[in-house]
Amino acid sequence: GAGVSQSPRYKVAKRGQDVALRCDPISGHVSLFWYQQALGQGPEFLTYFQNEAQLDKSGLPSDRFFAERPEGSVSTLKIQRTQQEDSAVYLCASSQQGAGGYTFGSGTRLTVV
Amino acid sequence: GESVGLHLPTLSVQEGDNSIINCAYSNSASDYFIWYKQESGKGPQFIIDIRSNMDKRQGQRVTVLLNKTVKHLSLQIAATQPGDSAVYFCAENLSGGYQKVTFGTGTKLQVIP
Repeated sequence: GAGVSQSPRYKVAKRGQDVALRCDPISGHVSLFWYQQALGQGPEFLTYFQNEAQLDKSGLPSDRFFAERPEGSVSTLKIQRTQQEDSAVYLCASSQQGAGGYTFGSGTRLTVV
Repeated sequence: GESVGLHLPTLSVQEGDNSIINCAYSNSASDYFIWYKQESGKGPQFIIDIRSNMDKRQGQRVTVLLNKTVKHLSLQIAATQPGDSAVYFCAENLSGGYQKVTFGTGTKLQVIP
């Protein structure tokens, strides 16, 4: 597609439930990033992929967060045993290797109740 | 830790006036800076970037100024339009090795018709 696509657009999860958030990057983009954005805050880095390799996962807040990109295109961010503090917008971005500025998707708004 | 910050959380300007959004950064090693625009319900959108070997860069109606001496970044929007209403983030590249960036908390720009 022409842009970065994320699904679902909205997700409501009960506390303790597992969720999976999907990101379809721009075709051919090597780099893929996940960010977490709390209300009224700037996006916070979670993890980075170059093709299928996860090169940086230093921003993942706990071992309940897991991301994968098995074929170097679509990526999934999984959150196990969701907690209320996980409520946020999860943004995915992709870029060509060496290019400036990412292209972001519209995000998935996760609400944990 | 080191972070990117903004002086003003909210800026109101009259339609047609020029807008100036300011940002301070703390890491003198940062070599790449980006301004993003985020509209409600959307992901951040790349506006303009600048590398540390420059002090000014112009785009269409936007200018970014970089003052490395005082670690200050600004975004100037000429002839502000209602469509410019959004939250603006500055972001800095801390790693150098790839394109991971750190975002500030944002400035909300309100354009008064």
